[in-house]
Amino acid sequence: ELKVEQNPLFLSMQEGKNYTIYCNYSTTSDRLYWYRQDPGKSLESLFVLLSNGAVKQEGRLMASLDTKARLSTLHITAAVHDLSATYFCAVDFRGSNYQLIWGAGTKLIIKP
Amino acid sequence: GAVVSQHPSRVICKSGTSVKIECRSLDFQATTMFWYRQFPKQSLMLMATSNEGSKATYEQGVEKDKFLINHASLTLSTLTVTSAHPEDSSFYICSARDPSGGGDTQYFGPGTRLTVL
Repeated sequence: ELKVEQNPLFLSMQEGKNYTIYCNYSTTSDRLYWYRQDPGKSLESLFVLLSNGAVKQEGRLMASLDTKARLSTLHITAAVHDLSATYFCAVDFRGSNYQLIWGAGTKLIIKP
Repeated sequence: GAVVSQHPSRVICKSGTSVKIECRSLDFQATTMFWYRQFPKQSLMLMATSNEGSKATYEQGVEKDKFLINHASLTLSTLTVTSAHPEDSSFYICSARDPSGGGDTQYFGPGTRLTVL
């Protein structure tokens, strides 16, 4: 069964702290995506990870991919309030239509 | 990055009416578009995959006669919710796949919030 599991599902943290969101998936995949969603809004693409060992950074967010462990992480460094949002990972299992399988999302609240 | 538009962004309708939502890729040709539904505080649920010039592929449990999808061109797909009922109220999001450059990234529209009274 194709499955993507995210944890934690909810995270409340103070500004200035570091934390990591985990995304596990059940079978071999060619690529993994991280998206951000603000309340009432659509999804914003953050990262596309294409290969084992891939690491991408944008500001205080860094994403990595370990295809052997079938694990991706989204690391937040020195969190700021503006990063409060729901973060989704999604995996492309290369089905015939390039469908994405989605994690449940991690709601991140960063308190000033 | 590539832009996907959706229209309308918000619609309120009476029970029994039909509502059409448009999804357009503005600066690229999308051979494949996807329609999602999202309930509050939940993840995205794929409803159907739409390929230009062919019938949409619906996910299990999604009524094809209820949710009509037409991918008329490489830049436009439409979702029509027929005979809408209050339980159809939801946030509908489309995405379009941009295959150019080998990126294969899906770009998402801004979403349409449907409220059926």
